Amino acid sequence: NAGVTQTPKFRILKIGQSMTLQCTQDMNHNYMYWYRQDPGMGLKLIYYSVGAGITDKGEVPNGYNVSRSTTEDFPLRLELAAPSQTSVYFCASIKQGVVGTDTQYFGPGTRLTVL
Amino acid sequence: DAKTTQPTSMDCAEGRAANLPCNHSTISGNEYVYWYRQIHSQGPQYIIHGLKNNETNEMASLIITEDRKSSTLILPHATLRDTAVYYCIVRTYSGAGSYQLTFGKGTKLSVIP
Repeated sequence: NAGVTQTPKFRILKIGQSMTLQCTQDMNHNYMYWYRQDPGMGLKLIYYSVGAGITDKGEVPNGYNVSRSTTEDFPLRLELAAPSQTSVYFCASIKQGVVGTDTQYFGPGTRLTVL
Repeated sequence: DAKTTQPTSMDCAEGRAANLPCNHSTISGNEYVYWYRQIHSQGPQYIIHGLKNNETNEMASLIITEDRKSSTLILPHATLRDTAVYYCIVRTYSGAGSYQLTFGKGTKLSVIP
């Protein structure tokens, strides 16, 4: 298994541009998450999905959109990039189970700079 | 989820045990303690978790006090590759989407040669 993969690894955007961050997992996990991490800070949840066709907002959803058409893929869309969205973005997934047995698997991250 | 308090940074000599403390004085009975670490901007990596009893796996040991208000992560023989930010997280189950993790700033562990 490749686990959780993310593309691209790095990207520079101009203000107002749009892009999609890709996330794919091959572990048949039903729960998937998008986090962002600003320099020196912990991770903050943007959006999550409990299964194909179901998504919900996390702590910091403004400026982002997601979709979940398949179990494997959970892309994150930035429509009008702003400097405040400069961050490292992590995708994660888990297999739904009893709390205490669910560990999140993280991708390697996408480093985004908006100028 | 209960709030956690961790020291900002710690040093440990290579080959010695690293003991990372975490306070979670408002933890409730059904909340688990999880530990993750993040090595140099990579994605966080799961280490260990526990509820009441002490736990051990191939990576670390988790010691939880009897009143569950604090815990300690122990890396028995720290190596340079253990240099990372370590996050202590307290989580409870609250329905769909509840498998969220709330990351604080963690403890930056530096293993010194």
